[in-house]
Amino acid sequence: GAVVSQHPSRVICKSGTSVKIECRSLDFQATTMFWYRQFPKQSLMLMATSNEGSKATYEQGVEKDKFLINHASLTLSTLTVTSAHPEDSSFYICSAREGGGGRNQPQHFGDGTRLSIL
Amino acid sequence: AQSVAQPEDQVNVAEGNPLTVKCTYSVSGNPYLFWYVQYPNRGLQFLLKYITGDNLVKGSYGFEAEFNKSQTSFHLKKPSALVSDSALYFCAVTYSGAGSYQLTFGKGTKLSVIP
Repeated sequence: GAVVSQHPSRVICKSGTSVKIECRSLDFQATTMFWYRQFPKQSLMLMATSNEGSKATYEQGVEKDKFLINHASLTLSTLTVTSAHPEDSSFYICSAREGGGGRNQPQHFGDGTRLSIL
Repeated sequence: AQSVAQPEDQVNVAEGNPLTVKCTYSVSGNPYLFWYVQYPNRGLQFLLKYITGDNLVKGSYGFEAEFNKSQTSFHLKKPSALVSDSALYFCAVTYSGAGSYQLTFGKGTKLSVIP
């Protein structure tokens, strides 16, 4: 089945540090990837839609300069949390859709990254 | 706009008993519905989907879901619960007019199967 690899699984760092999270589709190509944020005991909140070769589309209220997204190839999207602060601590999850991204295709999720800013 | 409601924060069921996790949705076009399961500190795993066709959809691990258009529901079911089914379950919806077919998730239902 389709596998999405997300790395790292956990990051603990000091306030002010920038953190990069990678999301890779291992056995399929993904023109579209999605980045979510999940707070404890809450649902997933879509942050942005990452499109290969073009700019990401950010959801309302998400700072594009704070959360930099790069989708340079059909198998890799990265999310960089710039100058992270304690309020950025959260569980970040990426997903990717197979093939042309049609409505029939489910999203496949990475295992998430637990980000803790001290 | 699209939305998903999972009315129960938690469902408890005894091992071996049937389980139901409820989901209702609201979309402006034809819905495409999904169920995902999340184990602690993990991403989401796809269970099943409804796109079109038969209202009863069968998925992974013995789960199934029934699409009911008149009630705008897509409840997840399993005839006999296992302790290993204990996890967080999310219902999600998209529709033909949604940009990039973005998913909207319900808030999740925690399923606890009691031995």
